[in-house]
Amino acid sequence: EAGVTQFPSHSVIEKGQTVTLRCDPISGHDNLYWYRRVMGKEIKFLLHFVKESKQDESGMPNNRFLAERTGGTYSTLKVQPAELEDSGVYFCASSLRAGPGTGELFFGEGSRLTVL
Amino acid sequence: AQSVTQPDIHITVSEGASLELRCNYSYGATPYLFWYVQSPGQGLQLLLKYFSGDTLVQGIKGFEAEFKRSQSSFNLRKPSVHWSDAAEYFCAVVNFGNEKLTFGTGTRLTIIP
Repeated sequence: EAGVTQFPSHSVIEKGQTVTLRCDPISGHDNLYWYRRVMGKEIKFLLHFVKESKQDESGMPNNRFLAERTGGTYSTLKVQPAELEDSGVYFCASSLRAGPGTGELFFGEGSRLTVL
Repeated sequence: AQSVTQPDIHITVSEGASLELRCNYSYGATPYLFWYVQSPGQGLQLLLKYFSGDTLVQGIKGFEAEFKRSQSSFNLRKPSVHWSDAAEYFCAVVNFGNEKLTFGTGTRLTIIP
């Protein structure tokens, strides 16, 4: 069974450009999460989808970030326009049941974003 | 707000030696506690978790962790490390009913021959 896959693995863009990160969760997992790790800091929650609906987007840093999950399958996270402080590793995770308190989260390898 | 502290940024251990990675949390009630590992080129993998009951929990790859309420700690241990244990380890917490994991800053483990 395929795990959580993320694309691209690494993206280098210039400040002001747009980047779109994609996450394919494990098939059948309704819950999808985005987390981010800025260099040297902790991994922080961004948002949580249940199917195609945003359950919790309290961690989204600002309106330059847009997450979608059309049809409740894969998800995209767009950063437009990118700023230097957006550099980091973006992790996607999925779970069968909601939340790490009730179900195990399966993480992807992460997409590293470098903004120059 | 809940928080997780991993005081050791980088630890170097000889292969075959014992290992203890420290984790302290700050939270009013008893949280759910986790240890994740990220090996090079891989995603975060759950090593073990504590929800309630026995305070010593066993995980995969020979790891164990002990929940100590009085010290607000959840340290990860392994009696004898292998070169394949070289990775970054993250302690995390979530409170019941909250779907969000709060992570520590991670501890990078290097294994020397």
